[in-house]
Amino acid sequence: GAVVSQHPSWVICKSGTSVKIECRSLDFQATTMFWYRQFPKQSLMLMATSNEGSKATYEQGVEKDKFLINHASLTLSTLTVTSAHPEDSSFYICSAWASGGAAYNEQFFGPGTRLTVL
Amino acid sequence: AQSVTQLGSHVSVSEGALVLLRCNYSSSVPPYLFWYVQYPNQGLQLLLKYTTGATLVKGINGFEAEFKKSETSFHLTKPSAHMSDAAEYFCAVRISGNTPLVFGKGTRLSVIA
Repeated sequence: GAVVSQHPSWVICKSGTSVKIECRSLDFQATTMFWYRQFPKQSLMLMATSNEGSKATYEQGVEKDKFLINHASLTLSTLTVTSAHPEDSSFYICSAWASGGAAYNEQFFGPGTRLTVL
Repeated sequence: AQSVTQLGSHVSVSEGALVLLRCNYSSSVPPYLFWYVQYPNQGLQLLLKYTTGATLVKGINGFEAEFKKSETSFHLTKPSAHMSDAAEYFCAVRISGNTPLVFGKGTRLSVIA
């Protein structure tokens, strides 16, 4: 089946620093990837949609200069949280759209990255 | 725009009892519907999905859901709850193509021994 990995699985950083989270589709090519954010005991909120080779589309209220998304290849998308602050602490989940074939045509989710900003 | 409403943020059942988690959707076009389970500090695991065809969908771990267009519902059921079913459950909808999933707020299922 389609597998999506994220790295790191958890990260602790100091306020003001930047953190990069990687999302990889391991056995399929993903032209479209999605980034979600989940606060404790809450649902997943879509942050942005990234398409390979083009700029990401951000949801309303998400600061594009703070959450930099790069989708440079068909198997890798990165989310960089710039100048992180404690309120950015959250669980970040990426998802990749796998198209082609009866077993696909759905979103596959990574295991998530727990970010804690001190 | 599509949306999902999950009734009940917390459901508690006894071990061996019926599990019923409610989900209603809103969509202007025929939707694709999904149920996911999330264990603490983990990602999402797909339980089942409805795209087209048979309205009763069977998933993993003994769960099933029925798409009822007239009621705009996609409730999740399991005949007999197990302690390992305790988790957070999310209903989600997508309208077409590679548009992103839109999630409900989630229902936390507790199973009492």
